[in-house]
Amino acid sequence: AQKITQTQPGMFVQEKEAVTLDCTYDTSDPSYGLFWYKQPSSGEMIFLIYQGSYDQQNATEGRYSLNFQKARKSANLVISASQLGDSAMYFCAMSRTGANSKLTFGKGITLSVRP
Amino acid sequence: EAGVAQSPRYKIIEKRQSVAFWCNPISGHATLYWYQQILGQGPKLLIQFQNNGVVDDSQLPKDRFSAERLKGVDSTLKIQPAKLEDSAVYLCASSLVGGPQHFGDGTRLSIL
Repeated sequence: AQKITQTQPGMFVQEKEAVTLDCTYDTSDPSYGLFWYKQPSSGEMIFLIYQGSYDQQNATEGRYSLNFQKARKSANLVISASQLGDSAMYFCAMSRTGANSKLTFGKGITLSVRP
Repeated sequence: EAGVAQSPRYKIIEKRQSVAFWCNPISGHATLYWYQQILGQGPKLLIQFQNNGVVDDSQLPKDRFSAERLKGVDSTLKIQPAKLEDSAVYLCASSLVGGPQHFGDGTRLSIL
């Protein structure tokens, strides 16, 4: 079984500063993917970034980067130069590699960006 | 490209009534998912389709929930009869095989 743990309480960051959102995971699958999604108050789930378990380099996507530490089973999201529009819930998720690719989500972290 | 379309956006019904949700995935996406997101939690998979076949429905409460994906494109999710604990947001997602999932805006269901 797969498990995602997000234990940070609500996070606050000053506009234009960087922030790290923590995620740890547990799985017995040898090959898996890690994802981060953003959910604004309007409710849609927006895909941000993906990291494969065998990828040698950490994933980056614009202002988002994923700090993947396989031995520690962590997949933290780093948002650089925070913007007011980054205020939202952030979910870490994982899936097996292959056809049965359902996502297992964590409970999410609320990020608030202060002007 | 057009995203995942879901309707209705909001639905309010009384317990024991029935309700149906509709999803149109991104064109060409063979895999379609229905998730249930209860307030304050992450989404939980209800059912996964690959074309019009079911890949995983292990978490679907089959005594009251049903889903179909005719012709491997659109999908409907039905609840009959609804219970108070079914109040949640129902999210539809689609993906290419092995690709990231793209979500619709969801249907917010309230049971009175």
